[in-house]
Amino acid sequence: KAGVTQTPRYLIKTRGQQVTLSCSPISGHRSVSWYQQTPGQGLQFLFEYFSETQRNKGNFPGRFSGRQFSNSRSEMNVSTLELGDSALYLCASSLGGVDGYTFGSGTRLTVV
Amino acid sequence: AQSVTQPDIHITVSEGASLELRCNYSYGATPYLFWYVQSPGQGLQLLLKYFSGDTLVQGIKGFEAEFKRSQSSFNLRKPSVHWSDAAEYFCAVGFVQGAQKLVFGQGTRLTINP
Repeated sequence: KAGVTQTPRYLIKTRGQQVTLSCSPISGHRSVSWYQQTPGQGLQFLFEYFSETQRNKGNFPGRFSGRQFSNSRSEMNVSTLELGDSALYLCASSLGGVDGYTFGSGTRLTVV
Repeated sequence: AQSVTQPDIHITVSEGASLELRCNYSYGATPYLFWYVQSPGQGLQLLLKYFSGDTLVQGIKGFEAEFKRSQSSFNLRKPSVHWSDAAEYFCAVGFVQGAQKLVFGQGTRLTINP
């Protein structure tokens, strides 16, 4: 079966711009979670969506937001980009819990 | 606060040698524990997981891990490493009540000498 698909793979944005990243989960998976990976902070939980509802949110500023559509695809948005937002953003899908995560290959965001 | 510690940032072993990667966690209850591997520029692949039962769990690619409650540890082992095992390895604790999320350790980068 197809895995978790994240698009685009690479992005370069300028400070102050906004960006939208997309995640298509495995068919049948209703939970989509997002993680940020940086060399300094490691892997940090951003938020989780289940059946179009945000169930949990990590400790990130309000500039980070997301949504999930009825087909379970998810998008995350970062507004007013800062240099520190440069990171690998990973999406994981599951049927409904952390025990069945499948990760995508990530989107590498570079803010200049 | 819940946390995961991987004491070794970087480990180098020779091909064919045995491997042990350390992981300690701080969590108020019996945790769900995971080991993931990440190759450069890629996402995370699950190696193995522990929820309950037998404390020695087998995973993919010949890896195993042992849960030791008394030491709050979940160390990853492999009896003989291959050059293709070179990657970064992450230990994680899963929260399954309330917030469904993983808390990751900082990772251990594994280098294999030929």
